[in-house]
Amino acid sequence: EAAVTQSPRSKVAVTGGKVTLSCHQTNNHDYMYWYRQDTGHGLRLIHYSYVADSTEKGDIPDGYKASRPSQENFSLILELASLSQTAVYFCASSDAWAEDTQYFGPGTRLLVL
Amino acid sequence: SQWGEENLQALSIQEGEDVTMNCSYKTYTTVVQWYRQKSGKGPALIILIRSNEREKRSGRLRATLDTSSQSSSLSITGTLATDTAVYFCATGASSGQKLVFGQGTILKVYL
Repeated sequence: EAAVTQSPRSKVAVTGGKVTLSCHQTNNHDYMYWYRQDTGHGLRLIHYSYVADSTEKGDIPDGYKASRPSQENFSLILELASLSQTAVYFCASSDAWAEDTQYFGPGTRLLVL
Repeated sequence: SQWGEENLQALSIQEGEDVTMNCSYKTYTTVVQWYRQKSGKGPALIILIRSNEREKRSGRLRATLDTSSQSSSLSITGTLATDTAVYFCATGASSGQKLVFGQGTILKVYL
């Protein structure tokens, strides 16, 4: 059974529109993360959370908000989607912070037109 | 400076050959994780090596860690076409620095 799931798996959005990406984990992990991956690039951390109802900024938080309503769920919100936010987005979870293995979801491919 | 920095490179080899990928980092780390990402999938851990280990093996995989030169390597012996993927190193430390992913190595194994 997949421990980290994401929805939707792909999405086409219009510039200026609102986009919400959802992530659900069944690992019982405290930490959850949102990354973006651009073609030919590595993973860049957008937001993360270590407890429900609290989120932290990662390396590239501008233009993104995050929400952690429960331990299992973590959402990424693009209030005003822009062309530059076209990318693949990955959610991950881990039991601890820096040293622990991160378990990734399958990704959401977002195209902003 | 960036943790887990890895020179982006692309390797194309024939099935059966051995391959080694390298990862260098610039700050203190206590663990190096190697992830594999297959096309259309999320990254998945394949091997983890800690700072008190110089070498770690798992099947056809071998990871090394040299803390003095701040570098790690991942070797795959007897590659298979199914090893085709992007390989990332990620470095972290128990001191609280976040896990940082390198740019990745694109490996293509052809028949």
